[in-house]
Amino acid sequence: QVQLVESGGGVVQPGMSLRLSCAASEFTFSSYAMHWVRQAPGKGLEWVAAISYDGNRQYYTDSVKGRFTISRDNSKNTLYLQMNSLTAEDTAMFYCARDRVDQTFDYWGQGTLVTVSS
Amino acid sequence: DIQMTQSPSSLSASVGDRVTITCRASQGIRNDLDWYQQKPGKAPKRLIYVASSLQSGVPSRFSGSGSGTEFTLTISSLQPEDFATYYCLQHSSYPWTFGQGTKVEIK
Repeated sequence: QVQLVESGGGVVQPGMSLRLSCAASEFTFSSYAMHWVRQAPGKGLEWVAAISYDGNRQYYTDSVKGRFTISRDNSKNTLYLQMNSLTAEDTAMFYCARDRVDQTFDYWGQGTLVTVSS
Repeated sequence: DIQMTQSPSSLSASVGDRVTITCRASQGIRNDLDWYQQKPGKAPKRLIYVASSLQSGVPSRFSGSGSGTEFTLTISSLQPEDFATYYCLQHSSYPWTFGQGTKVEIK
C-alpha cells in the first residue's frame, strides 16, 4: 500500500528554520512529481511547492518564494521542505502528496504540524 | 495566477438531498480540476479527477462535470458520512490553487 509519512514538524520561534521530510514507500518514488500542501488551523488548503520527478524543476507559491526550498533524494525515497525565516503565518499542518498524470494527489501523508510562536 | 472561486462556502442539507458545489476559474483550465473531501483531523481524500473521472472506491453518488472555467461537484443523495468539507484544485498551471472550501453540514 502506498505510504507517505511526514516528519520534522514542531514548535519554533519566529525567524528560525525547520526541515520537513516525507518518506515514501510502496511506489516508484522517482517516477512521481511531489508536492507540499499546508493548512493553517481552521483554514483551507494551500498549495505550497512542487518538485519534478527528477528534481530539476521546482515551483513555489509566492508567499514562500525565497524562504522555502523543496528538494528530494530519489535514492532515499524522501522529499524535503527546508523552511527558513519562519513567521506566525507559516503555522500549519503540512502534507506531502504525490503527482503523476491522472494520479494528482491520489495519496497524501498524515501531515506534520508546524507551529511558529515565541 | 489562476484564482478558484468556490461556492457556497457552507451549506446545510439533509440526508437524501441532492447537493451541488461550484468552482469557477479565473481563466480557462481545460479539465485540469480535481475535487477533494476532508473530514476533521484527516488528510484530504480525492473524489474526482480531471473534472469528471470518479476515483476508484468512491461511491457513484459523487459526480463531477465542467470544463474551461466552470465546474460542479454533485452528490446525488447525501449520506451521513458525506458531511465534510470539499475543495476543488486546479492543476493546469503553477501556482496550483485550491478553492476556499465548502463545508457541508447536517440540517
